[in-house]
Amino acid sequence: GAVVSQHPSWVICKSGTSVKIECRSLDFQATTMFWYRQFPKQSLMLMATSNEGSKATYEQGVEKDKFLINHASLTLSTLTVTSAHPEDSSFYICSASSSGRAYSYNEQFFGPGTRLTVL
Amino acid sequence: KQEVTQIPAALSVPEGENLVLNCSFTDSAIYNLQWFRQDPGKGLTSLLLIQSSQREQTSGRLNASLDKSSGRSTLYIAASQPGDSATYLCAVKEGNFNKFYFGSGTKLNVKP
Repeated sequence: GAVVSQHPSWVICKSGTSVKIECRSLDFQATTMFWYRQFPKQSLMLMATSNEGSKATYEQGVEKDKFLINHASLTLSTLTVTSAHPEDSSFYICSASSSGRAYSYNEQFFGPGTRLTVL
Repeated sequence: KQEVTQIPAALSVPEGENLVLNCSFTDSAIYNLQWFRQDPGKGLTSLLLIQSSQREQTSGRLNASLDKSSGRSTLYIAASQPGDSATYLCAVKEGNFNKFYFGSGTKLNVKP
């Protein structure tokens, strides 16, 4: 199956700093990538949807100036948490799908997640 | 807005038992439904994907069914094993928006 990687797998930063998380599709071209966050013992909440070469679409309540998303190529999307604060500490997961993969019917493939801790 | 509910929230069974996890959704106009497994502190592993035109999918000991008209899906796990212990999430995708809506998950514990 398709493989999606994330880097880093975990990061600890000081309050006020910015953190960049990368999401890569390793063996397919991802026309669309999604970013989710997951708080402890809760389900995934969609933050934003990004299509290659265009601006991301953010879900209601998600600050686009705080969570910067770039999808510059068909294999890479980045999420930058700007001026991070302790309440931004969470598990961030990306997923990718490709309309060109006919046998997967737009199935989403998820990365392993990034644990962010803001001190 | 689509809402996805999973019952039960947690389930503990002895090894070898067959079990059923339930997922319901409020808007039947879905594109597909996907079942995932999540181990603690890890990402999601896709288990089964059911298209809106399909009734069920099978993979090994897993069988997922879909009744779109009633807004329900079930994940059947046969002969459960301790290695099946994880949180199981269902997610529905709406046709035109390529968005997934996730349920809150069922945490399964299979006791040896």
